[in-house]
Amino acid sequence: DTEVTQTPKHLVMGMTNKKSLKCEQHMGHRAMYWYKQKAKKPPELMFVYSYEKLSINESVPSRFSPECPNSSLLNLHLHALQPEDSALYLCASSARFYNEQFFGPGTRLTVL
Amino acid sequence: QQQVKQSPQSLIVQKGGIPIINCAYENTAFDYFPWYQQFPGKGPALLIAIRPDVSEKKEGRFTISFNKSAKQFSLHIMDSQPGDSATYFCAASIEGAQKLVFGQGTRLTINP
Repeated sequence: DTEVTQTPKHLVMGMTNKKSLKCEQHMGHRAMYWYKQKAKKPPELMFVYSYEKLSINESVPSRFSPECPNSSLLNLHLHALQPEDSALYLCASSARFYNEQFFGPGTRLTVL
Repeated sequence: QQQVKQSPQSLIVQKGGIPIINCAYENTAFDYFPWYQQFPGKGPALLIAIRPDVSEKKEGRFTISFNKSAKQFSLHIMDSQPGDSATYFCAASIEGAQKLVFGQGTRLTINP
């Protein structure tokens, strides 16, 4: 199984809402990533988890809160977002010491 | 030094032609160079990747050419088809660093 899955596919939320994005992989990868992608731009790294521990936080605002419950799951908790946070949120995974990253289909987030 | 410069921003080619997308980097520590293909509303898909110990790699109709001395690499698509129309991102990383440095992307259109 070489697939990274993400739910939901689409999410619309108000600025006062709390929501979560979910990501799952069953490739035995021990590194998982959250990216944000704006239209016509490359993916922008937000967080990296390695062996279920946060290893990289690219100075992301605290309204984004990542969580890695186990080696297959990655969550991104959202709270008090701004309209400029509207984007495609991508999850990816890779084997720990190998940079071949596999991306999920993304969650299209719209903040009203 | 961490940048990867990608060109052109957009490219239109007739079916059967050979589109070429170029990337240049400065950091000589980079040792992994993947290309990703992304269709609208989808996550990036790893297409092909190369390491600096080889000058060329082919996978089906896709070829990476790598010039270590010039710090450049390029993607060639042989016998291009309308279904190849997508945005292509080059990237570079250092083994184990878990960070991909992306180029800005090339929007490729293959006309029938």
